[in-house]
Amino acid sequence: SQQGEEDPQALSIQEGENATMNCSYKTSINNLQWYRQNSGRGLVHLILIRSNEREKHSGRLRVTLDTSKKSSSLLITASRAADTASYFCATDAVDNTDKLIFGTGTRLQVFP
Amino acid sequence: EPEVTQTPSHQVTQMGQEVILRCVPISNHLYFYWYRQILGQKVEFLVSFYNNEISEKSEIFDDQFSVERPDGSNFTLKIRSTKLEDSAMYFCASSVRGRSGNTIYFGEGSWLTVV
Repeated sequence: SQQGEEDPQALSIQEGENATMNCSYKTSINNLQWYRQNSGRGLVHLILIRSNEREKHSGRLRVTLDTSKKSSSLLITASRAADTASYFCATDAVDNTDKLIFGTGTRLQVFP
Repeated sequence: EPEVTQTPSHQVTQMGQEVILRCVPISNHLYFYWYRQILGQKVEFLVSFYNNEISEKSEIFDDQFSVERPDGSNFTLKIRSTKLEDSAMYFCASSVRGRSGNTIYFGEGSWLTVV
């Protein structure tokens, strides 16, 4: 079955540095979405990238998608302490399903 | 910005009791979902709902779970007889369209603690 895995599981950086998180999945997808979750809070949608797209930007976020390697990366540039959260990728498969399959998440800690 | 709202934010219930979690999806959205996240684990799909019926459900969504859209705005998840293992954060979500390529917006979640 399809499974998303992020790496690293945890990442600690200083404010101003860039943070890169990776996501791998197993089956063909329609699109991939990245979400942020502050501790104990809801999932905030960050960006959606379609299977025919290779790169997408939104503010300080840059997402890439490599369907041949079944992987995606999320880059946060010039990180801030407020970026501290868990980041999840979520995919929907081409098998006509409604559901998103979430990865295990990367816990990002940004120190001031 | 429109958002998905959920109530209650936290509920403690005794094992065996019925629980209803409520959600108000974004107003022009047609597809509704429930997901759950057991503490420290992945977010898991429970059920999707469109046109007043379940369109897909996971193996987690057994007979003790049900969903309903009782009026034009609310979307509810009922757990008939709660078990300890139902303790989790339950997220409601909605999207304009289902299937491919649509952003799914999540609410803040309802923490359910079964004691």
